[in-house]
Amino acid sequence: EAGVVQSPRYKIIEKKQPVAFWCNPISGHNTLYWYLQNLGQGPELLIRYENEEAVDDSQLPKDRFSAERLKGVDSTLKIQPAELGDSAVYLCASSLAGPDEAFFGQGTRLTVV
Amino acid sequence: KQEVTQIPAALSVPEGENLVLNCSFTDSAIYNLQWFRQDPGKGLTSLLLIQSSQREQTSGRLNASLDKSSGRSTLYIAASQPGDSATYLCAVRGGSQGNLIFGKGTKLSVKP
Repeated sequence: EAGVVQSPRYKIIEKKQPVAFWCNPISGHNTLYWYLQNLGQGPELLIRYENEEAVDDSQLPKDRFSAERLKGVDSTLKIQPAELGDSAVYLCASSLAGPDEAFFGQGTRLTVV
Repeated sequence: KQEVTQIPAALSVPEGENLVLNCSFTDSAIYNLQWFRQDPGKGLTSLLLIQSSQREQTSGRLNASLDKSSGRSTLYIAASQPGDSATYLCAVRGGSQGNLIFGKGTKLSVKP
């Protein structure tokens, strides 16, 4: 069974440009998370979906970040415009239901120059 | 606000040694706790999930314990191997609707 799939794996953009990350969760998993991980730190939640509903987006910087989960399956995270401080690894995770074991993708490493 | 601390931040051991990684959390009202492994430049691999009603979970050479009342969990690795070298992250979930709150991890190096 395929795990959580993220693309791209790496992205380098200039500041002020837009960028988008894509995530395909494990089949049948209703809960999807986007996390941000800075170097040497643990992941921090950006947004959590239960099916297609964003149930926790309190940590998402809504002035520049947006996310969607169409039909409760794939999800896209967008940054517009990107800032130098957005350079980090963006991780997607899914679980069968909210409190169940979470499985992570390989992450997208974003570098903003 | 839940805070998760992992000590030590880094650990270097010779191959074959048994070792313990520590995780502590400030709010003992957790739903479950999950241990992950992260290799350089990679995502997180789930190792063990312990429900709040459980005291320990085992998988191969790994054993995780949970003492909810004292806000502690330990990950025991038996007979360590160079392939165990990675960063180990602990994460707690505050409720059935809660999110995973992570520590900063312990970077383990097992030398041949």
